Amino acid sequence: GDSVTQMEGPVTLSEEAFLTINCTYTATGYPSLFWYVQYPGEGLQLLLKATKADDKGSNKGFEATYRKETTSFHLEKGSVQVSDSAVYFCALSDGVRGGADGLTFGKGTHLIIQP
Amino acid sequence: DAGITQSPRHKVTETGTPVTLRCHQTENHRYMYWYRQDPGHGLRLIHYSYGVKDTDKGEVSDGYSVSRSKTEDFLLTLESATSSQTSVYFCAISESRPDSPLHFGNGTRLTVT
Repeated sequence: GDSVTQMEGPVTLSEEAFLTINCTYTATGYPSLFWYVQYPGEGLQLLLKATKADDKGSNKGFEATYRKETTSFHLEKGSVQVSDSAVYFCALSDGVRGGADGLTFGKGTHLIIQP
Repeated sequence: DAGITQSPRHKVTETGTPVTLRCHQTENHRYMYWYRQDPGHGLRLIHYSYGVKDTDKGEVSDGYSVSRSKTEDFLLTLESATSSQTSVYFCAISESRPDSPLHFGNGTRLTVT
């Protein structure tokens, strides 16, 4: 079945550091890929997505490129801020049944940014 | 924010009692989902719905049932709550496309004592 693997952390960085959170996946067909962010006490919010190979999703300074050859979708940001502290989830939709059966999520990476 | 309301936001109940969680949407989206979030497990799909009265099981459906009698409402019922069902429950909705993202509610924290 489908699966998503990401580092769980916590990942602790200083403000203005470069961020990479690795995500690799296993899926049938040609999945769409997503990054979600969860702030304390809230639900998950879509951060960015990519729907085909070599697509780059970007939002709020975060980027991720859909790499089919390495089955990866790593999240990057050039200069993190304290406000980026949150839990980040990588997810995929394999498109089977038109996406009706939802997304498969990784276990989440807890990111802590220190001033 | 997508119009998704979960109720209650917090609930404490005793083992063996029935519990119903409600998800209400104002977006008229076709698909609705119930996930549970637990440390070390991420989010796991419990049940989902692809239309009124059309539901199916997810990865961790044992001990849970769902109903969808209207487009806007999706109910999750624990027939007889157990301590292993202590969790944070999230409802999500999406449009009818394979690459549509999910939009999440703010969750219900359920504690079974």
